[in-house]
Amino acid sequence: DAKTTQPPSMDCAEGRAANLPCNHSTISGNEYVYWYRQIHSQGPQYIIHGLKNNETNEMASLIITEDRKSSTLILPHATLRDTAVYYCIVTAQGAQKLVFGQGTRLTINP
Amino acid sequence: GAGVSQSPRYKVAKRGQDVALRCDPISGHVSLFWYQQALGQGPEFLTYFQNEAQLDKSGLPSDRFFAERPEGSVSTLKIQRTQQEDSAVYLCASSRQGAQGANVLTFGAGSRLTVL
Repeated sequence: DAKTTQPPSMDCAEGRAANLPCNHSTISGNEYVYWYRQIHSQGPQYIIHGLKNNETNEMASLIITEDRKSSTLILPHATLRDTAVYYCIVTAQGAQKLVFGQGTRLTINP
Repeated sequence: GAGVSQSPRYKVAKRGQDVALRCDPISGHVSLFWYQQALGQGPEFLTYFQNEAQLDKSGLPSDRFFAERPEGSVSTLKIQRTQQEDSAVYLCASSRQGAQGANVLTFGAGSRLTVL
């Protein structure tokens, strides 16, 4: 019953922008888009979230389409340390659990 | 501490043994979550506490799994009579109370359980 669809893997050159897509065509009006990442042998790490406006923080930018059916996480200048599995999660604000899918395995190449 | 601390980091158990995994959440974080992550898979929700109250245990796979948080801080996940299919990384996460913070979880590094 996954609410999101992500490509299983992506590659990006170091120093370039990494653009990770996420499809969430069944998103409801009260649901937010959250992004987490999981570096090998670590727990997941929160990156960013948004409702309908684009968001930016020190880690990444989140671009949400006007119809909210898809979004893109942008790492503007990818480094080798950005190699991780990236999870896109759709959930209502204040929901008591996050449902993780399979995520996208992003590999940053030197 | 600054983060969520889990112990032990690694545990090897013989099939049929009981194990206990500990989680120290970030001080002041009201919400605490346990997740199970099998190799190559995303984390799967097990249970959720708000303070000492276990509000959701729908993800616990069987009655061999039990979690508690008696004083609303440290939590323990106990697995009785371990089976090989219990082998996984068990992740603990905590978050602040309130709508804005509720879904911003801070995860620990996890406890890797291997059942022989």
